[in-house]
Amino acid sequence: DIVMTQTPLSLSVTPGQPASISCKSSQSLLHSDGTTYLYWYLQKPGQPPQLLIHEVSNRFSGVPDRFSGSGSGTDFTLKISRVEAGDVGVYYCMQTLLPAFGGGTKVEIK
Amino acid sequence: EVQLLESGGGLVQPGGSLRLSCTASGFTFSTYVMGWVRQAPGKGLEWVSAISGSGGTTYYADSVKGRFTISRDNSKNTLNLQMNNLRAEDTALYYCATYVGYWGQGTLVTVSS
Repeated sequence: DIVMTQTPLSLSVTPGQPASISCKSSQSLLHSDGTTYLYWYLQKPGQPPQLLIHEVSNRFSGVPDRFSGSGSGTDFTLKISRVEAGDVGVYYCMQTLLPAFGGGTKVEIK
Repeated sequence: EVQLLESGGGLVQPGGSLRLSCTASGFTFSTYVMGWVRQAPGKGLEWVSAISGSGGTTYYADSVKGRFTISRDNSKNTLNLQMNNLRAEDTALYYCATYVGYWGQGTLVTVSS
């Protein structure tokens, strides 16, 4: 199994300030086809998760450019350049080599 | 518009069985890996099972291996999850999902006597 570890567990952010979430995998997520299958999701209360970032750094359709993903191998980061009130929820990283999610990072507004 | 509609959830006794189904529309179903993700009340997300577009390759979480069986019918755009020998810890909201951003609203499975 591939274990995904997210930090921090929770984050309290002032609107307009940046936020960063780390995700580390227990083994490299680089597939033999050259693609790294690492995704970032946001789950807002009472809703299914919504895709933010696919394959490390590609924003999904409609996702604002305040959200960016980076990383390689086993270390990945999601950054929000300026947090807004609508960004609250739980953020999950996910890999699909042997599909699994990280434990989640709860983001709230100060 | 992409839609994934789950059905089949409900209340079942420990040791019982349920069959979940997911009907897809709005995308080329047969070309997507499909799967089931569950979320226990107040907990995080867990990939339960996944199946390749052709149905030839499957994945199961250790927690359900030997008890759950995933299948798909590309002619009907449907995904199924046969769940046997259910346990209390299988209680969760079960989502039908693709790897790339399409999710249903979920169907609730409650295992309790």
